[in-house]
Amino acid sequence: QVQLQESGPGLVKPSQTLSLTCTVSGGSISSGGYYWSWIRQHPGKGLEWIGYIYYSGSTYYNPSLKSRVTISVDTSKNQFSLKLSSVTAADTAVYYCARGGPDFWSGFFWFDPWGQGTLVTVSS
Amino acid sequence: QSVLTQPPSVSGAPGQRVTISCTGSSSNIGAGYDVHWYQQLPGTAPKLLIYGNSNRPSGVPDRFSGSKSGTSASLAITGLQAEDEADYYCQSYDSSLSGSCVFGTGTKVTVL
Repeated sequence: QVQLQESGPGLVKPSQTLSLTCTVSGGSISSGGYYWSWIRQHPGKGLEWIGYIYYSGSTYYNPSLKSRVTISVDTSKNQFSLKLSSVTAADTAVYYCARGGPDFWSGFFWFDPWGQGTLVTVSS
Repeated sequence: QSVLTQPPSVSGAPGQRVTISCTGSSSNIGAGYDVHWYQQLPGTAPKLLIYGNSNRPSGVPDRFSGSKSGTSASLAITGLQAEDEADYYCQSYDSSLSGSCVFGTGTKVTVL
């Protein structure tokens, strides 16, 4: 059973870069046609998809965030990571990593499972 | 800002049936893209509830069902139970701009 766990600083200063890592257990991140994804949820609000890295290494980001987002993978550690640059208070949210599939571009695509989420606060 | 609109809240007594709508447009649900649903219990991560409009993953009770028609989709909960009190989100694909995964605004289900 695949499980995901987010880790990283809970507090980031404005204008700095938010960095989070998702560790995958119970399965290899480089096998199968999965889209390893990041999703965030602002406090008391809805869900926002941030982007994915495909098992092949290709990436795709939410057009509204893509100028600030980088998602990368470390297959040796079975981890993938999120970097969000130039953060402001509006980036304060719970950040989730999740496994997406099976086919993003057809819309036959959902997230399962999810990590437990980690709260990142942007404040000086 | 979400492109899929859900009612902020719905409520029902135990045993009743409630439905949650998810209204989109011609660039997402109306274009034929599938709708998926998630349940988020208080303080926890979302959990997949329905995929491909009407399919339930293993372990999801058959009290939950999904449907899609035109530019909208619906999630129905029959035989409402106290443990169903949660937030529910729909999700689909939107072909506007370069294409993106989009979520609904979310609906809080309250069991009276």
